Amino acid sequence: EVLLVESGGGLVQPGGSLRLSCAASGFTFRTYWMNWVRQAPGKGLEWVANINQEGSEKYYVDSAKGRFTISRDNAKNSLYLQVNGLRAEDTAVYYCARDAGAASGPFDIWGQGTVVTVSS
Amino acid sequence: SHELTQPPSVSVSPGQTASITCSGDKLGSQFASWYQQKPGQSPVLVIYQDVKRPSGIPERFSGSNSGNTATLTVSGTQAMDEADYYCQAWDRTTVVFGGGTKLTVL
Repeated sequence: EVLLVESGGGLVQPGGSLRLSCAASGFTFRTYWMNWVRQAPGKGLEWVANINQEGSEKYYVDSAKGRFTISRDNAKNSLYLQVNGLRAEDTAVYYCARDAGAASGPFDIWGQGTVVTVSS
Repeated sequence: SHELTQPPSVSVSPGQTASITCSGDKLGSQFASWYQQKPGQSPVLVIYQDVKRPSGIPERFSGSNSGNTATLTVSGTQAMDEADYYCQAWDRTTVVFGGGTKLTVL
């Protein structure tokens, strides 16, 4: 079964940091672009970042540039998102998603999400 | 940056056809995808490359894309189709989602 499982979310104070993880199974992880997408409470989907198969190309939404870092470990079939300088507006469910295309979508497999809450 | 505009809500009677639009500058020159999201669940891909359906997606879901508008059509809408729907496209190095449309089956 093709599966993505996120972890690492939690309650963090403004200015704090978290490292989100996404464990992939059931497919050849190293051959796919991967993405992080988030959804604030009651809001729509917002693409956050993506990374190519080797980890040599990374792109971010403007609001994440300089604060978030996407990375991957193909030996561990894992995707990561280091989030620093967290703000209240970063509160969201963070999903990892597999890109069936080449950096442009579609996103054919999604994880169940991990919840990040930024609050004092 | 690229923006995709969707109507906030669309209503349809059971068995009728629902159309959800997604507008963006020259959207027809790139591929559009559509996702269905039910409350408390992760999004599910229902249309990709404008018109293709992933395996397991019912035939009543179809798509088109021309000019500045992509359209998701749900024919013979069923109660189970009530959900939020999001279009998605790509702008050079970034991925863009529309704001989402709540489909209500009355």
